[in-house]
Amino acid sequence: DTEVTQTPKHLVMGMTNKKSLKCEQHMGHRAMYWYKQKAKKPPELMFVYSYEKLSINESVPSRFSPECPNSSLLNLHLHALQPEDSALYLCASSQGDQVAYEQYFGPGTRLTVT
Amino acid sequence: DAKTTQPNSMESNEEEPVHLPCNHSTISGTDYIHWYRQLPSQGPEYVIHGLTSNVNNRMASLAIAEDRKSSTLILHRATLRDAAVYYCILRRSYNNNDMRFGAGTRLTVKP
Repeated sequence: DTEVTQTPKHLVMGMTNKKSLKCEQHMGHRAMYWYKQKAKKPPELMFVYSYEKLSINESVPSRFSPECPNSSLLNLHLHALQPEDSALYLCASSQGDQVAYEQYFGPGTRLTVT
Repeated sequence: DAKTTQPNSMESNEEEPVHLPCNHSTISGTDYIHWYRQLPSQGPEYVIHGLTSNVNNRMASLAIAEDRKSSTLILHRATLRDAAVYYCILRRSYNNNDMRFGAGTRLTVKP
């Protein structure tokens, strides 16, 4: 099973809402990632978890809060978002933190903030 | 961070080879060259990677210049399914989790 699953596929939320994005993999991977992708732009790295510890936070606003409850699961908690946060949020995982390991991406959650 | 430069777009005919170039003139000795592609409405997928020598796998070949300042991704027989945005990415061997995408090349395959 080389699949990364993300739920929900689509999410519409108001600026005062609190919601969460979920990502799951069962490949035994120990590194997991969140990326943000705006329309017609490349993905931008947001957060990296390595062995369930946050190892990279790309100066992302605090209204985005990542969580890695276990090695298979990655959440992104959203609170008080702005319309400009509307984007495709991609989750990825890799076997470990060596450069030779490829990243496997999920299909993404398309988020619209109204 | 070392940067990559790719053409914005390229076109190819179905069943013909495609050569996708990437310039990385500021590459350092510890940078690996990775290629990913993103098909419409999907997340990116890994294609191939290399350090100094040319590499082949079931999807593509990677040709790396002797001075490593450029590389070329080769699709041997393009199919309609290969239409995607192709990203050339440099990854530092000591900063392994850090993968930063450039603008990429949008490949169109004509039947």
